[in-house]
Amino acid sequence: EAQVTQNPRYLITVTGKKLTVTCSQNMNHEYMSWYRQDPGLGLRQIYYSMNVEVTDKGDVPEGYKVSRKEKRNFPLILESPSPNQTSLYFCASKGGEVRHEQFFGPGTRLTVL
Amino acid sequence: AQKVTQAQTEISVVEKEDVTLDCVYETRDTTYYLFWYKQPPSGELVFLIRRNSFDEQNEISGRYSWNFQKSTSSFNFTITASQVVDSAVYFCALSGLNSGYALNFGKGTSLLVTP
Repeated sequence: EAQVTQNPRYLITVTGKKLTVTCSQNMNHEYMSWYRQDPGLGLRQIYYSMNVEVTDKGDVPEGYKVSRKEKRNFPLILESPSPNQTSLYFCASKGGEVRHEQFFGPGTRLTVL
Repeated sequence: AQKVTQAQTEISVVEKEDVTLDCVYETRDTTYYLFWYKQPPSGELVFLIRRNSFDEQNEISGRYSWNFQKSTSSFNFTITASQVVDSAVYFCALSGLNSGYALNFGKGTSLLVTP
């Protein structure tokens, strides 16, 4: 089954404790991205990757890091999480053309205390 | 710059009513793509439809229909004979050929369908 998977699905952590949210897709997509969803703000892009070893900032990259060492994986790293990073996070992937729709993972609900 | 506006924050209807969700967009790209996604209470994002800027033909899929009008920069979504299972947040989104792969979302419209 074609899908985007994320882990963990739920995470409660404390300020400053480094964490990684994993994302993996099995559709051989070149493009992957991370979004955060907050009430009243909709979905905003954090980082994206056009292909292996190619990453770039989205609209709200502060406080996040990403890496793309393999085509299928695109982890999101929070080196020192803060409460304002409490949010619902989505990973997405898409095929190699602009017209292609993005396929989203199930979401990771992160709470930073 | 690209922008998507969904002016309706929340809509509440009674089952079997028709409901239209509005989406207005701004882009400088001449080639662009419009999307609708559904986010049910379970939280996942479900792709519903894509529309190309050069194809203004309206589309119908069961109880769902989409009206794309370039003249008014709108891509509205109508649910006919709404059902409780249609209750969700609906997002309109835009990507432009010259803007790369970035998908710009509206802030969403929360639809509640009551029995």
